[in-house]
Amino acid sequence: ETGVTQSPTHLIKTRGQQVTLRCSSQSGHNTVSWYQQALGQGPQFIFQYYREEENGRGNFPPRFSGLQFPNYSSELNVNALELDDSALYLCASSVNSPYYYNEQFFGPGTRLTVL
Amino acid sequence: SQQGEEDPQALSIQEGENATMNCSYKTSINNLQWYRQNSGRGLVHLILIRSNEREKHSGRLRVTLDTSKKSSSLLITASRAADTASYFCATVSTGANSKLTFGKGITLSVRP
Repeated sequence: ETGVTQSPTHLIKTRGQQVTLRCSSQSGHNTVSWYQQALGQGPQFIFQYYREEENGRGNFPPRFSGLQFPNYSSELNVNALELDDSALYLCASSVNSPYYYNEQFFGPGTRLTVL
Repeated sequence: SQQGEEDPQALSIQEGENATMNCSYKTSINNLQWYRQNSGRGLVHLILIRSNEREKHSGRLRVTLDTSKKSSSLLITASRAADTASYFCATVSTGANSKLTFGKGITLSVRP
C-alpha cells in the first residue's frame, strides 16, 4: 500500500457532464501525475504537476484539466464527458526534479463510467 | 502512444518456475521502470534501471537493460501464485518535459 489515496473509488456519469477526481499525495512528494487506463491497455499519461505548475502534458484535449494544491494534493477535471472517457484514472506521486523522473507511487484509482 | 512493447502478451507458468518478460522501446531513455498491477487496481513500482546500468536485482527480480538493442527483460525467479498480475514496462525519455510512457502490459498467470 502506498500513501496515495484517491476519491471516489467508482463514479458513474452521463455524456456531457463534468467530473472532478481527487488525489492525496504521499507525504513529502512534490510531483503528481495523472494517467488514464482503458480496459486491457497500459496507463496513458494525461499531465503532471510539479510544485503547483503543470510540467508536461500528454495527448489529451483541453477539456482535461488539473490543479495541484500547496499541500501537493491534486484534482483532475474532465468537462463535456464522452463515452470514451470511461476508464480507470490513476494518480501517482513522486519526488522529482524538473530534470529527473523517479519511481511513481500510485493510488488505487477511480473507475469512471460514462453512460 | 505507447513506447514500450512487452513480449509475450500473456504468460502461464507453474509455481516454482522462472518467468521472463521482455520489453522493447523506440527512443533514447533516461531510465526504464517495471510495474505490477493486480486486478485493475493501482500499479506497484518494482524496479528502476537507469540508462547507464546494465543489470539490477531486487529480491527475486532481475532486470537487464540493453540500450544498443533498446530492450529490457524482467526475470522473476521461483514464481509464486501471488505473482499472478499484469506487468508493465515504462520508459522515461531524455529531454525536457519527459514523462513515463507505458507499454500494454503482460498478463502473468502462475498456477499453484
